[in-house]
Amino acid sequence: NAGVMQNPRHLVRRRGQEARLRCSPMKGHSHVYWYRQLPEEGLKFMVYLQKENIIDESGMPKERFSAEFPKEGPSILRIQQVVRGDSAAYFCASSPPSSIETQYFGPGTRLLVL
Amino acid sequence: AQTVTQSQPEMSVQEAETVTLSCTYDTSESDYYLFWYKQPPSRQMILVIRQEAYKQQNATENRFSVNFQKAAKSFSLKISDSQLGDAAMYFCAYIAPYSGAGSYQLTFGKGTKLSVIP
Repeated sequence: NAGVMQNPRHLVRRRGQEARLRCSPMKGHSHVYWYRQLPEEGLKFMVYLQKENIIDESGMPKERFSAEFPKEGPSILRIQQVVRGDSAAYFCASSPPSSIETQYFGPGTRLLVL
Repeated sequence: AQTVTQSQPEMSVQEAETVTLSCTYDTSESDYYLFWYKQPPSRQMILVIRQEAYKQQNATENRFSVNFQKAAKSFSLKISDSQLGDAAMYFCAYIAPYSGAGSYQLTFGKGTKLSVIP
């Protein structure tokens, strides 16, 4: 059973560009979570999604950030008009319906904004 | 709000020895889960061990075990027979699913950097 897949692993953007981060959950997992890790910090929750639904986006910045988990395909975290402060590692996690408290993480996407 | 505190920013251990990493948390919930995640230099987050609050028995996974003290809200990780591959950042995390708004979020501590000395 393949783990959580994220791509790209590294992403470089210039200020003002858009960043799209993709996440494919583990097979059979219908719950997806996005977290952000700033340097020397723990992970901070951003958003929780199920297929075609945003359940909790209380950790998402109000502007420029959006997330989706369509019926088909991976979950996408989109950052518009990136700024240097968006540079961080973005982790996706997934959990199965039977055990939503246990989240398995992908390898992360390291975003660098120049 | 729930908080997770790891009071040891850095620890070191001699190879083959035992080390204990500390974690305390604050919650008003009675039903919750606690985790230790390992983040090696590759920065992948790896689940090490999980503990259900309603279980009195401490969780064990091979060389990793926890000391869960519910009344004291303490959740320490013990690594026995330390190996070079154990060198990593270790994060303690808490979740209380079904407790209401925001209950599906993992709350992480700031981490403890463990070095293993050959």
